[in-house]
Amino acid sequence: AQKVTQAQTEISVVEKEDVTLDCVYETRDTTYYLFWYKQPPSGELVFLIRRNSFDEQNEISGRYSWNFQKSTSSFNFTITASQVVDSAVYFCALSEANRRTYKYIFGTGTRLKVLA
Amino acid sequence: DTEVTQTPKHLVMGMTNKKSLKCEQHMGHRAMYWYKQKAKKPPELMFVYSYEKLSINESVPSRFSPECPNSSLLNLHLHALQPEDSALYLCASSRPGAAGETQYFGPGTRLLVL
Repeated sequence: AQKVTQAQTEISVVEKEDVTLDCVYETRDTTYYLFWYKQPPSGELVFLIRRNSFDEQNEISGRYSWNFQKSTSSFNFTITASQVVDSAVYFCALSEANRRTYKYIFGTGTRLKVLA
Repeated sequence: DTEVTQTPKHLVMGMTNKKSLKCEQHMGHRAMYWYKQKAKKPPELMFVYSYEKLSINESVPSRFSPECPNSSLLNLHLHALQPEDSALYLCASSRPGAAGETQYFGPGTRLLVL
């Protein structure tokens, strides 16, 4: 069965703190893709990163970094020195390449509140 | 330019009304999607168009009718909706082909059905 679990429903941090959002996935496929999206209060889902199952290199983009570990089926997202503008709901998603479907399997999302 | 536009931003309609949501992209993408998102929930896929043909219908009620008039435009026609259809409707686009392509989302239309 395919599944994405974001166990943290809501996280509150004070500005400049680091915060890690967890994502655990389940899939039987060997080829799959993982995504992170940000959804601010305005509603638009903003694409942050796409990672395929064969690339376990961690990635850093400015204050954002991602840790992909196939051994634990996790794809965690860390924001360093958080800012108020980071306040949003963050979704992790899985797409299985072998199923010939365009469907994303979304996690339930983590609401991040960054307090000034 | 990774931009998907949607109009209107907000829509209030009665249960007997007919209205349409519009989505446009100019990224040359040939796959376009409609999602429905209820509050505090992830988006749920409704329809997928690939090369202007409907390829996925996730058992959506017939009161929702999608249309893809050309490769840049996607419409969602609404008729005889129910209050429980009130939600954020998101459009997305991607390159077509196998799964795993990045979907780029528009800002959504917030729909309220009275």
